[in-house]
Amino acid sequence: QKEVEQDPGPLSVPEGAIVSLNCTYSNSAFQYFMWYRQYSRKGPELLMYTYSSGNKEDGRFTAQVDKSSKYISLFIRDSQPSDSATYLCAMSGDTGGFKTIFGAGTRLFVKA
Amino acid sequence: GAGVSQTPSNKVTEKGKYVELRCDPISGHTALYWYRQSLGQGPEFLIYFQGTGAADDSGLPNDRFFAVRPEGSVSTLKIQRTERGDSAVYLCASSSRAVDTEAFFGQGTRLTVV
Repeated sequence: QKEVEQDPGPLSVPEGAIVSLNCTYSNSAFQYFMWYRQYSRKGPELLMYTYSSGNKEDGRFTAQVDKSSKYISLFIRDSQPSDSATYLCAMSGDTGGFKTIFGAGTRLFVKA
Repeated sequence: GAGVSQTPSNKVTEKGKYVELRCDPISGHTALYWYRQSLGQGPEFLIYFQGTGAADDSGLPNDRFFAVRPEGSVSTLKIQRTERGDSAVYLCASSSRAVDTEAFFGQGTRLTVV
């Protein structure tokens, strides 16, 4: 079993839809939870990070962490064609755990 | 520069050859990370530098892989006796903090071993 599981998709939605992306994990030591966006042939770009449990909102993006269920989510409201990319969840520990573990990424297509 | 720069952007090499991949981090960033990303997968941690020293090299797959950062800025990832299985995109990231929650990635070097 992988430490971080993420549905690879692809996920195809119409423009304006609400998108829900999710990851599950097994290591209870993870404390930092990140979401990255990666366009084709580009490096990942950090969208948001959350420390421990809770919600965080930034514009059209909302990140949620439920440590009791070992489950994290990213919601995208009013999705745009420019949101079409691969979304990677990532997480790391809190005690010198410099090693960040990434999910496999979910490919998202937003159709105009 | 404004961002993390990696050179070359593409590298094709023959099996058994030696390659060097270079990373120029964002100026002033003390933390530097190397990852490897295979097709359809997320980045896989290789090594982390804090300053000049490798603070965590537990992700290096075997002793054919080695990385240096002699002056605490530019880093070079070195791969000896390349194998076809080494083909992947090698990503470098840097951050100003030890915990890479705000790491900035380069565009990667696409290595193909033929």
